[in-house]
This record gives sequence, C-alpha cells and structure tokens, in this order.
Amino acid sequence: QVQLQESGPGLVKPSETLSLTCTVSGGSISYYYWAWIRQPPGKGLEWIGYIYYSGSTNYNPSLKSRVTISVDTSKNQFSLKVTSVTAADSAVYYCARAAVAGKGSFDFWGQGMLVTVSS
Amino acid sequence: DIQMTQSPSSVSASVGDRVTITCRASQDISSYLAWYQQKPGKAPKFLIYGASRLQSGVPSRFSGSGSGTDFTLTISSLQPEDFATYYCQQANSLPWTFGQGTKVEIK
Repeated sequence: QVQLQESGPGLVKPSETLSLTCTVSGGSISYYYWAWIRQPPGKGLEWIGYIYYSGSTNYNPSLKSRVTISVDTSKNQFSLKVTSVTAADSAVYYCARAAVAGKGSFDFWGQGMLVTVSS
Repeated sequence: DIQMTQSPSSVSASVGDRVTITCRASQDISSYLAWYQQKPGKAPKFLIYGASRLQSGVPSRFSGSGSGTDFTLTISSLQPEDFATYYCQQANSLPWTFGQGTKVEIK
C-alpha cells in the first residue's frame, strides 16, 4: 500500500518561501504523476500542480509564477516551493498520487500539513 | 478554468436514507469526473472516477452517474461512517478543479 507523508516548516513568514517535501513509501515514485493540492482552513480544495517522475511539470496558472515542483527519484520524494507567500497561502497542503485508473484524479493522499503564513 | 458547482451545500439525513449530491460543470467534461469523501481533519478519500467507476474497496452503496456537464453521487443507504463532506473534481482539462463541497450531516 502506497503511503505519502508531507514534511516541512509549519510556520512561514510573509514574503518568504514555503518549502514542503513528500516522501513516498510502499512503492516506487517511478512511472507515476505526483501532485500537490491545498485546502485553506474551512474551505475547498485547490490543485497546485503535478510532476511526472521524469521531471515534467504542470502548474495551476493561478500560482504558476510562484510555484516549483521537483522530484528526487533516488529518495522517492517530490517537493513543493511557493515563493513570496502571503496569508492567503495559509492552508493544509496535501501531496497525492495521480490515479492509474481515472485520468487526473488522485487515489493516494498524504495526511496533510498545515502551513501558516504569519510574522 | 472549468467551474464545478455542487448542490446542495449541505444536507441533513438519517441513517438508512438515500442521499443524492449534484455536481455541475461549467463546460462539457465528458466523463472525467471524480468524487471524494473528506472527514474532519483527514485527507480526502478517493471514491469514484470516470463519473461512475467505483474505486477498489469503496462500498457498493456509493454510485455515480452523469456525463457532459451534469453528474450525481448517490449513497443508497446512508451509514454512520458516511457523514462527511463530499467533493467532485473535473479531470478533463487543466487546471483540474474541485467543487466547493457538500456536507452530509446527521438529521
């Protein structure tokens, strides 16, 4: 059973960079697409972007100028960076695997990590 | 971006009730529609993909239907563990987008 675990700082100052890592266990990161999704407290879900194990990416245009997703296959990890954060970036950040069956949907999710942007 | 609109925003129901949630896309998404269940403090759980295909391990009381712009999620006989928020998500075109959620509450 594939498991995903987010890690990183839970508090980031405004204008700084949010950095999270997702560690995949119970399976290889290879041959799959991996995504980041966020959920502001009490609100709905927003897809941030995805990366293929080979390194190709696609980002939500609403965040594209500030987001970078990278992958490290040797560590079975992928990462998210969001630059110039504001309070609006405070959210629970989830990493997820794009489903094998069901294009563009997500079958395995991390538990989520709350990131608060505050000075 | 494709907008996904769910209705109702919340529904109160009793154990054993049949519950139907509707999701409407702002443009044709064929059958590229997924449903998720989310409980407080937990990650979403993948229920249905391709509008009507049940993910492995999901109880058969859950079913999905629809194509084009109009979709439904039906819980045939609500169980205590089904009280949660449900989200639809279109996977037809980027950026992938979610509905605002429907909360199923205990009556």
